[in-house]
Amino acid sequence: DGGITQSPKYLFRKEGQNVTLSCEQNLNHDAMYWYRQDPGQGLRLIYYSQIVNDFQKGDIAEGYSVSREKKESFPLTVTSAQKNPTAFYLCASSIPTGPYNEQFFGPGTRLTVL
Amino acid sequence: KQEVTQIPAALSVPEGENLVLNCSFTDSAIYNLQWFRQDPGKGLTSLLLIQSSQREQTSGRLNASLDKSSGRSTLYIAASQPGDSATYLCAVLPHNAGNMLTFGGGTRLMVKP
Repeated sequence: DGGITQSPKYLFRKEGQNVTLSCEQNLNHDAMYWYRQDPGQGLRLIYYSQIVNDFQKGDIAEGYSVSREKKESFPLTVTSAQKNPTAFYLCASSIPTGPYNEQFFGPGTRLTVL
Repeated sequence: KQEVTQIPAALSVPEGENLVLNCSFTDSAIYNLQWFRQDPGKGLTSLLLIQSSQREQTSGRLNASLDKSSGRSTLYIAASQPGDSATYLCAVLPHNAGNMLTFGGGTRLMVKP
C-alpha cells in the first residue's frame, strides 16, 4: 500500500531533551512537509522540502530542525530550544506540480513534554 | 499575508440534515483550495480539491464550491450521518508561496443520531 507513515504515534519528552519524529513515504513524492497542530487550531507549517538535500523554513521553524537525505524520508527533530513543543505533529507529501499540488498526510505523532 | 477563516468553529446537527460549512480567505490569488477531514487524534484525509479555474467539485454526498473573487468556499454535506462527525479543515495554496498551504482553524462537526 502506498502512503505516509509516522512514528512513533505517541512520544513523551523530558524538558531539555531533543527528540526526533520519523516520516516516511512510498508515494514517490518529491515534496515533503512538517506541520504542527495545537488543540482546536489549524495547521502551521514548520519546514518543507521540495527536493532531496534541500529544505526551507516555514512559519514556525524556531526550535526545530530537519534533514532530507533520502527522497522517502523527512525526519523532524524537536530541540530543547523549542519552548512549547507539546502538540500534534503531521507530516505530508506532494508532487509539486503547481496548481494541482495536492498534499497527502500521515497519521500524526502526538508529542507531550513531561 | 493570506488568512483563512472557518465559521462556525463548531456545529451540531441532527442526522439527516443538509449542512454547509464555510471557509473564507483574504487574498484571491490562489492556485487551489482543498477541503480535508480530520478524525480525533488522526491525520488529515483529503476530501475535495478545487482548482482556481473551477467553480465546484463533487464527491458522493459532498459538494464544494469556490468563489475566488469574493474569497469564499463552501462545503455542502447532504443527508448528514453520524459517521460524518469530524473536524473539517479548508486550506488554500496561494500564489508566490512555494507549495505552502494556508489552513483555516477548522469546523468541528457533530451529527447526532
